[in-house]
Amino acid sequence: RKEVEQDPGPFNVPEGATVAFNCTYSNSASQSFFWYRQDCRKEPKLLMSVYSSGNEDGRFTAQLNRASQYISLLIIDSKLSDSATYLCVAYYGGSQGNLIFGKGTKLSVKP
Amino acid sequence: GAVVSQHPSRVICKSGTSVKIECRSLDFQATTMFWYRQFPKQSLMLMATSNEGSKATYEQGVEKDKFLINHASLTLSTLTVTSAHPEDSSFYICSANSGTGGYNEQFFGPGTRLTVL
Repeated sequence: RKEVEQDPGPFNVPEGATVAFNCTYSNSASQSFFWYRQDCRKEPKLLMSVYSSGNEDGRFTAQLNRASQYISLLIIDSKLSDSATYLCVAYYGGSQGNLIFGKGTKLSVKP
Repeated sequence: GAVVSQHPSRVICKSGTSVKIECRSLDFQATTMFWYRQFPKQSLMLMATSNEGSKATYEQGVEKDKFLINHASLTLSTLTVTSAHPEDSSFYICSANSGTGGYNEQFFGPGTRLTVL
């Protein structure tokens, strides 16, 4: 069974805060992982890929722990514009359709 | 990044009618496009994989006779919801990628919000 589990939140944080999201996946056959961002009533957009060695892009850092089947996303110095739902996504290889989406974690950054 | 468009963005229809949704890759050719459905506070669920020039591959539990998919060209796929009912009300999103083999970034369309009365 292929599942990606996330804490739905919401995470309500003040501007400038550091916030961390976690995600677990059930199928060890997962090959690649991603974090997508989805704004309300909009399509998902790729935020970043997740590697075992970690991946940092500005204020965003993603980490993968294959042994624990655990993925994380860290956002530092939160901005109001970071408010969105963050989707954890696993790719199982083969057909491009093998993307499994988590339900997302909602983040709300307040002034 | 690549651009994928969808039309219409929003549709409200009566129960029993059919609704067609178009998905276009604007600046690249997509041999494969994907159709997802997202209910409120739920994850995106893949409905089917649309292959140019061949039949679509449907996920388990998705009725192929109800959700008709046509991928007539490398830049256009259509999803027709036939005899729509209120339970079909959802956010339908298509995606496409320009590569083959392994993982290539999927670019999502802006989605179509369907409301069936």
